[in-house]
Amino acid sequence: EVQLQQSGAELGKPGTSVKLSCKVSGYNIRNTYMHWVNQRPGKGLEWIGRIDPANGNTIYAEKFKSKATLTADTSSNTAYMQLSQLKSDDTAIYFCAMGDWDVMDAWGQGASVTVSS
Amino acid sequence: DIQMTQSPASLSASLGETVSIECLASEGISNDLAWYQQKSGKSPQLLIYAASRLQDGVPSRFSGSGSGTRYSLKISGMQPEDEADYFCQQSYKYPLTFGSGTKLEIK
Repeated sequence: EVQLQQSGAELGKPGTSVKLSCKVSGYNIRNTYMHWVNQRPGKGLEWIGRIDPANGNTIYAEKFKSKATLTADTSSNTAYMQLSQLKSDDTAIYFCAMGDWDVMDAWGQGASVTVSS
Repeated sequence: DIQMTQSPASLSASLGETVSIECLASEGISNDLAWYQQKSGKSPQLLIYAASRLQDGVPSRFSGSGSGTRYSLKISGMQPEDEADYFCQQSYKYPLTFGSGTKLEIK
């Protein structure tokens, strides 16, 4: 069974950075894409970007190009997302997800990021 | 970016009723359309991919159809566990984009 285990809730001050992790078990992340999606309180889903862990290639939504940095460590089967220059509207739940052909067939449980001074 | 216009924003259905949710893409997406279900406080789960293919383990009362720019999700016989938010997502072109969601409640 494939499982994606995300790191815990984060509380960050404005202007700082946080790094979220997503450890995959039951599947080799070299063989899939890892996506990150956010959901602001009471809102819908927003795609941030994806990484191909096999070669490190990334694609970002335009609005996240200077906000998010996606990396992956194939030795630990873990994907990461760093969010920089935090602002209040970065407060959201962040999900990692994986899947072929850009369809997300397995999701992490989500990690809450709260930005507050 | 491809805009995904999802309707209705909310609906309520009686147990056993058949419901439909629609997504309209701003350009043709060649059946590169997925549907997700998100229950309250949980992460989304894939229901349908490639517009009409049922993900393993998803009940057969869920079905997807459509082509070009218009796609729909049908639930044939509403069950209590189907109360959730539903989202469509296009994978035809980057950036991947989601519909705004439909909140489905039991009447």
